[in-house]
Amino acid sequence: RKEVEQDPGPFNVPEGATVAFNCTYSNSASQSFFWYRQDCRKEPKLLMSVYSSGNEDGRFTAQLNRASQYISLLIRDSKLSDSATYLCVVNEGTGNQFYFGTGTSLTVIP
Amino acid sequence: DTGVSQDPRHKITKRGQNVTFRCDPISEHNRLYWYRQTLGQGPEFLTYFQNEAQLEKSRLLSDRFSAERPKGSFSTLEIQRTEQGDSAMYLCASSSRLSLSYEQYFGPGTRLTVT
Repeated sequence: RKEVEQDPGPFNVPEGATVAFNCTYSNSASQSFFWYRQDCRKEPKLLMSVYSSGNEDGRFTAQLNRASQYISLLIRDSKLSDSATYLCVVNEGTGNQFYFGTGTSLTVIP
Repeated sequence: DTGVSQDPRHKITKRGQNVTFRCDPISEHNRLYWYRQTLGQGPEFLTYFQNEAQLEKSRLLSDRFSAERPKGSFSTLEIQRTEQGDSAMYLCASSSRLSLSYEQYFGPGTRLTVT
């Protein structure tokens, strides 16, 4: 079983739509969680860390459900510039090793 | 630019040759990571340094791969006797000792093509 699993998509949504991605992880001892964004042929860029209480950054909201071992990312009022691959990342808490999902592809359509 | 830098950005080599990549992390970041990414996949962890010590190495990393960070600053990743299956993007990331949640910042990557 993979450490982190994501629906690869693709998700094609119109501008202004709300879209949600989920990601599940297998190690219940995992402590740190992140969402990264990766544009085509570019490096991943940190979008946001995911905290136990959930957190929001503008149009982006991240949630953590430890009981069910999943994290989610909600994007409201989608913009064309949100088109990218969104990577879910999990660390067991030591900072030594990070596990990435395969990424979820999002295309926002005019 | 004070971000993570990697050199070269692209490398084309023939099967069987050795290649070496360099990563310069963000200044004063004590943690440094190497990843490999192939098309349609997320980055795959290769190895991790804290200062000059290599603390973690993926079981998937064959003996042909070696990494160093001799002075706790820049790092090199060497692949010996390259194979076509080594073709991938090699990404370096760094993280600060002050970061309790270990946010990583990535370099632009080195794209390796083995012919």
